Formats: sequence, C-alpha cells, structure tokens
Amino acid sequence: DAKTTQPTSMDCAEGRAANLPCNHSTISGNEYVYWYRQIHSQGPQYIIHGLKNNETNEMASLIITEDRKSSTLILPHATLRDTAVYYCIVRASRGSARQLTFGSGTQLTVLP
Amino acid sequence: NAGVTQTPKFQVLKTGQSMTLQCAQDMNHEYMSWYRQDPGMGLRLIHYSVGAGITDQGEVPNGYNVSRSTTEDFPLRLLSAAPSQTSVYFCASSYVPRGSGANVLTFGAGSRLTVL
Repeated sequence: DAKTTQPTSMDCAEGRAANLPCNHSTISGNEYVYWYRQIHSQGPQYIIHGLKNNETNEMASLIITEDRKSSTLILPHATLRDTAVYYCIVRASRGSARQLTFGSGTQLTVLP
Repeated sequence: NAGVTQTPKFQVLKTGQSMTLQCAQDMNHEYMSWYRQDPGMGLRLIHYSVGAGITDQGEVPNGYNVSRSTTEDFPLRLLSAAPSQTSVYFCASSYVPRGSGANVLTFGAGSRLTVL
C-alpha cells in the first residue's frame, strides 16, 4: 500500500477554511484517497474519497494533484465541532485490498 | 436504520477470561471489519469479512477469532484475554458504491475493554 504522510497537528480559526495536506508519493493507479475523521472517543466518520478528479460533498472538498502524489482536504468554514483527528488513507480498489489501514492522522483544532 | 451497533460499550475482564464483542449492522453491507485503537494511536485492523462465511486476518489478528454466519452479524471473540488486549474496539461495515471500486466504512460507537 502507498504510505501517507500527514502533519501531526494543525490549528484553524473558526469560520475560516481548514486545509489539511496529505502526501502519498508512492500511490499507484488503482488506489483511492480516502479521508475519515474521528471526534474524541467516537467511531471514525467517513468524509470523502477520490481517485483522480477533485471531489466535493456536503462536508468537504478533496483536491488531488495532477500527479496524484498529494492531496488536500478542505473544510470550507470550520466550526468548533470540526475539531478531530483527520485520517488520510490510500488503498487499492480490488478485493481484500479494499480493507483500509489507518495511520496516526492530523489533529485539527478549531479555535474560537 | 440503526447503522452499526456494538455491545457492550464497556467491559472489564480478568486475564485468561473469554468474551465476545458483538457487532450488528442493518444496512445489508457486504464487508465488515474489526479494528482496535490504543491510546494516542490510529486504528489497526484485526479481522475482516467480505461476505457471510468468509473471513480473513488483518494486521493484528493474534488472540482474536471471528465468524460471519449472517450478513448482519460479525462477532469478535477473545479466547483468553491478556492485558495487551486492553483497547477500544471498533466494528465497521462497508459497501462499494455502484460504479466505483472504493470502500466506504460506517463505524460503530466502540467497545472499551480493560483486561486486568
């Protein structure tokens, strides 16, 4: 599996956009980029995923570089409830390889 | 829909005792999996299942057994609990969106296990 690198922690002011980077320089062509988050002590929550194109849903936007070696999760208007650990995961699309492996993630703290 | 339901939420065991963590989903998802999370760390995959009757090992399977007799249920058994198994356990179920190879997980609320 491609390895991902994320900053250990980030701060963001409430109401501003939070941009969370992820490096995955060894990603292969059939691997998706997933983002999940985990609010303290709760089960992780799916946010968004993408393969090649940028994606947007009601929670966030995912920007994937053209060479697919890095991506950015954007929370457009961060609130205090967005304080959580954010996991960037890269995983293949077929069979048992679909099972996701979580790293240490980025602790995002939204400040009032 | 209840989503993914885990029981119990909290459990204390003595070393050597056995127990089963229950996981049930009502979304008709094919895939189910168990993760453990130790303090300050990410989730590690214990076992997973790609359908009824089919299970496989993840990163940290030792000391745990699973079975998948129905689509809905995926229990995790600890045969002889050890202090190293003190952790928070999360069950997840997942589906593959039509036309996509992606795997989108829905997690339960977790089961906090302490082994003395």
